[in-house]
Amino acid sequence: EDQVTQSPEALRLQEGESSSLNCSYTVSGLRGLFWYRQDPGKGPEFLFTLYSAGEEKEKERLKATLTKKESFLHITAPKPEDSATYLCAVRGSGGYQKVTFGIGTKLQVIP
Amino acid sequence: GAGVSQSPRYKVAKRGQDVALRCDPISGHVSLFWYQQALGQGPEFLTYFQNEAQLDKSGLPSDRFFAERPEGSVSTLKIQRTQQEDSAVYLCASSLSAGGLTGELFFGEGSRLTVL
Repeated sequence: EDQVTQSPEALRLQEGESSSLNCSYTVSGLRGLFWYRQDPGKGPEFLFTLYSAGEEKEKERLKATLTKKESFLHITAPKPEDSATYLCAVRGSGGYQKVTFGIGTKLQVIP
Repeated sequence: GAGVSQSPRYKVAKRGQDVALRCDPISGHVSLFWYQQALGQGPEFLTYFQNEAQLDKSGLPSDRFFAERPEGSVSTLKIQRTQQEDSAVYLCASSLSAGGLTGELFFGEGSRLTVL
């Protein structure tokens, strides 16, 4: 069964203080690792898809990287508007289209 | 429409009542998913449709949960004889593709169910 573990569960940063969120996964035949942002009372919002080890993607202050066992979401010089819960998810080759999520990292950026 | 639409956004039910939650996916999206998200947790997979076919319902927690997508577009998640443990946000997501290296899921804002 596919599994996703995210750490830390919560992270508090000062504005401008860069950091990384971790996503460890076990999956049978990775067919995509996804990062989502979720604001309170909203559905998850898609950020990135990574397919193979060594792949990197960037969007504004966010950069996602992938190894065979982990993914990192690097946040450079965060701003208060980056405060949200960041969810990691994987799709494996078993079953049909099931995407398995972690519990997320709740990020708070203090001005 | 431009995005995934879910209704109602909020539903309060008395224990034992039946509820129906509706999802309008993005037009043309083949795949449709239902997820359940408890407070402070990540979304948990419930079921998956490819067009009108329900290909995976392994995540439905009991036979009180039923989902359908009869014409391959709008989907309804029905919960019979609701229990307090059913209280959660029910998220619907759709995806354009159905096989191979497929793309991301687009989520609606969810239906928050509270069972008293």
